[in-house]
Amino acid sequence: GIQVEQSPPDLILQEGANSTLRCNFSDSVNNLQWFHQNPWGQLINLFYIPSGTKQNGRLSATTVATERYSLLYISSSQTTDSGVYFCAVVERGNAGGTSYGKLTFGQGTILTVHP
Amino acid sequence: DTAVSQTPKYLVTQMGNDKSIKCEQNLGHDTMYWYKQDSKKFLKIMFSYNNKELIINETVPNRFSPKSPDKAHLNLHINSLELGDSAVYFCASSRLLAGGYEQYFGPGTRLTVT
Repeated sequence: GIQVEQSPPDLILQEGANSTLRCNFSDSVNNLQWFHQNPWGQLINLFYIPSGTKQNGRLSATTVATERYSLLYISSSQTTDSGVYFCAVVERGNAGGTSYGKLTFGQGTILTVHP
Repeated sequence: DTAVSQTPKYLVTQMGNDKSIKCEQNLGHDTMYWYKQDSKKFLKIMFSYNNKELIINETVPNRFSPKSPDKAHLNLHINSLELGDSAVYFCASSRLLAGGYEQYFGPGTRLTVT
């Protein structure tokens, strides 16, 4: 199956700092998502970004599918950005004639933002 | 207007018991999933149903039995609970994912087996 590796595993920032999280994957994909798991455990969709660049407020993401990586940028970090950031890619398959995809997650980056 | 909901949010039970977790989505999606998040935060798919039909079963012990009464609901029943079943279980949904559709997650159910 597809291997998904995220770096760094841990990141500690002061409020206001910028950061870049990286996601490498071992095979070509046609779907990549970034999630934020907040301290209460909720998984929040950040980006659905199989390729290209998207921006949402202080966050942006870039996926270069041909080189098998994606980057998540967080600018002017805030304490509410703390939590675990996951990237996940789709592995495609076929079951009884029905095509499907399943998300394979990276191990996550634990971000702590101090005031 | 919750998109994907799960009940209960917390479940504490003893070894050997049988328990169920319920999931509902109101997004009109045709595919639903169960994921397990272990104590190291690693997330792994367990099952997927497309329009009430099982399409993914990822080497999960047969004590775990998903049931989909309709395409908006996917429940997870666990028999003879073991300590190692303690985890957070997430339900998710999407339109059929093969084409590359975004997946949405419920709030999770934290299961603790004592």
